[in-house]
Amino acid sequence: EIVMTQSPATLSVSPGERATLSCRASQSVSSNLAWYQQKPGQAPRLLIYGASTRATGIPARFSGSGSGTEFTLTISSLQSEDFAVYYCQQYNNWLGTFGQGTKVEIK
Amino acid sequence: EVQLVQSGAEVKKPGESLKISCKGSGYSFTSYWIGWVRQMPGKGLEWMGIIYPGDSDTRYSPSFQGQVTISADKSISTAYLQWSSLKASDTAMYYCARGGAMGHFDYWGQGTLVTVSS
Repeated sequence: EIVMTQSPATLSVSPGERATLSCRASQSVSSNLAWYQQKPGQAPRLLIYGASTRATGIPARFSGSGSGTEFTLTISSLQSEDFAVYYCQQYNNWLGTFGQGTKVEIK
Repeated sequence: EVQLVQSGAEVKKPGESLKISCKGSGYSFTSYWIGWVRQMPGKGLEWMGIIYPGDSDTRYSPSFQGQVTISADKSISTAYLQWSSLKASDTAMYYCARGGAMGHFDYWGQGTLVTVSS
């Protein structure tokens, strides 16, 4: 099973600042990587798939990069609505695993 | 509009069986995978398994293989997650989600809260 490791566990950022979240896979997943946002009491929302493609309706301040085993989600200028937990997920041959999540909190 | 509507919250006792559902609408149900994701209280997301309703091809995470059964009834556009004997550790929110073309989950149900307590 591919293990996904996210860092940091918690990221404290001021509104308007840039946030950089990392995700590492225990073996190569090519570009089969997605990012999700989850707010309290809500279902997760897809942000990025294919490592770098924004999902429909996702603002341009969200961007994804990387391939193989190292991936990054960048939020260029944090808005109040962006404070949430973010998960990466790999999918390989229709078997997936999630990272443990990064909580982005207000500094 | 793509929608996944899950069945309501359940309260069960250890050892009981349970089947929860996820009804898809607004798209061709047989053409997309449907996955199940567990979220235990205060914890992260766990990928459980996935089914292709078109031919019932099913894949399970090793962590969940043998613990749950995923099925689908394409005639009513509904996927299921079932347990034969619940444990207290099955207490969690369970989400269904549609598998996009690349294997990510592009649409999610609202979640079904399962509580197992004696």
